[in-house]
Amino acid sequence: QVQLVQSGAEVKKPGASVKVSCKASGYTFTSYDINWVRQATGQGLEWMGWMSANSGNTGYSQKFQGRVTMTRDTSTSTAYMELSSLRSEDTAVYYCAVNPPRSGDFDYWGQGTLVTVSS
Amino acid sequence: QAVLTQPSSLSASPGTSASLTCTLRSGINVGTYNIYWYQQKPGSPPQYLLRYKSDSDKKQGSGVPSRFSGSKDASANAGILLISGLQSEDEADYYCMMWYSSAWVFGGGTKLTVL
Repeated sequence: QVQLVQSGAEVKKPGASVKVSCKASGYTFTSYDINWVRQATGQGLEWMGWMSANSGNTGYSQKFQGRVTMTRDTSTSTAYMELSSLRSEDTAVYYCAVNPPRSGDFDYWGQGTLVTVSS
Repeated sequence: QAVLTQPSSLSASPGTSASLTCTLRSGINVGTYNIYWYQQKPGSPPQYLLRYKSDSDKKQGSGVPSRFSGSKDASANAGILLISGLQSEDEADYYCMMWYSSAWVFGGGTKLTVL
C-alpha cells in the first residue's frame, strides 16, 4: 500500500531554515508528482508548491518563491522541502501529498510534520 | 477577494443531505475548471474525495462512498459537494481546490457539523 512517512517535529529559531522529508513506498516513486501543503493551527490548507518526482521540475507558490526549495532523491524515494528565513508565521503542520502528473487528485498524504518557529 | 470562498460552517441532521458550496471569484468561470474536494478530520491529514468538472468528466476517490457527489451551479458560479444520507462520521472540515494561475488554490474550508 502507498505510504508517505514524514520526518519528525522541528523547533527552529526565527531566521533559520528547516528541511522536512517525505519518504514514499508502495508505488513507483517517479510516477507521481509531490506537493507540499501547510496548515497553521486552526487554519485552512495552504499550497506551497509541487515537484515532479520524475524530472525534478518544480513550481512554487508566489508566496514562497525565493524561500522554498523542493528536491528529491530517487535512490531512496524521498522528497524534501526546505523553507528558509523562518518567521513565527511559518509555524504550522507541513504535509506532503502525491498526485498523478498534471492532476489535482492528491490521492495520498503524509502524516504531517509540525514545525514550530520560536525564539 | 479570494479565488475560492466557502462558508465557514454548516450544520445538518443525520440522514439528511448537506450541500457545501465553493464560490469562484467573479471573472473566473466555474464551467472551465476542475473542482476538487477534500475532507479533513481533526488530527488527520486531508483525504481526497472527488473531482468534478461536468457530469461526463468527474472522478470519485478510491473508496469514497457514492453518498459524496459533485456538481456545479453555473448561476452562482460555484462548485458544490453534496453529501446525502449524512452520518455522524461525516462531521469534518471540507476544502475545495482548483488550479488557477499556475497554482493550486484552496478554499478556506467549511466545518460541517452533524447534529
